[in-house]
Amino acid sequence: AQSVTQPDIHITVSEGASLELRCNYSYGATPYLFWYVQSPGQGLQLLLKYFSGDTLVQGIKGFEAEFKRSQSSFNLRKPSVHWSDAAEYFCAVGASSSNTGKLIFGQGTTLQVKP
Amino acid sequence: NAGVTQTPKFQVLKTGQSMTLQCAQDMNHNSMYWYRQDPGMGLRLIYYSASEGTTDKGEVPNGYNVSRLNKREFSLRLESAAPSQTSVYFCASSLQGSNQPQHFGDGTRLSIL
Repeated sequence: AQSVTQPDIHITVSEGASLELRCNYSYGATPYLFWYVQSPGQGLQLLLKYFSGDTLVQGIKGFEAEFKRSQSSFNLRKPSVHWSDAAEYFCAVGASSSNTGKLIFGQGTTLQVKP
Repeated sequence: NAGVTQTPKFQVLKTGQSMTLQCAQDMNHNSMYWYRQDPGMGLRLIYYSASEGTTDKGEVPNGYNVSRLNKREFSLRLESAAPSQTSVYFCASSLQGSNQPQHFGDGTRLSIL
C-alpha cells in the first residue's frame, strides 16, 4: 500500500535562509509525486509535480524538488525563504498503476518564517 | 475563474442533525474528491468519483454519503452528524488519471456540538 511520511511537523527558518522539507514515500512502482501548499483558511495549491524524466523539478514561487528513487524521497527546497512562504506544506503520492486519481497525503509540515 | 466552489464555508450543527456539503467545479474535470482535514493527520479521502456516474469509498467513508449529481457537482451528506465529524472538509477535482494534479476548493469548516 502507498504511504507518505513527512518527518518534520513544524520547521522554523529565518527569512532569506534556505529551506528543505522532507518527504518519504512507500510505493512499489514509480510513483506520481506532488507538493501542495496551504495558506491559513485556504485550500491547497499545487507547487510542483513529478511523473518521470528529470529528477529535479521546478515549481511555482521559486520552489524545486528532487526525486531520489534510492532513498524513496521527494524533498522540497527553496534557496531563499520569504515571509510569505509561511504556510503548511503537503507531500502527496499517486499510484501509477491506477487511473482513479486517488492521492495519499502526508501529515503536513508547518513552516514558520522568522523576520 | 471560479475553479472549485464549496458551500457553505462555515456550519455549526447539533449531534444527530443532517446536512449536505455542496461542491461544484467549472473546469470540465472528470474526477472529483471529498477529503477531511484534521490536525496532524493531513488530508484523508472520504469518497471520490473517478468519472460522472461512479462513486467509490476512500479511506474514511463511514458516516458519509455522496452524490455525483452531474459532471460539475459532487455533494457530501452527513445523515446523522457526530462530534467526531467536526473537521474541515475539502472538495477537489482533476482530469481523470493518477498523474493529474487536483484542484481544491477553500473548504467548509464544520463544527458538531
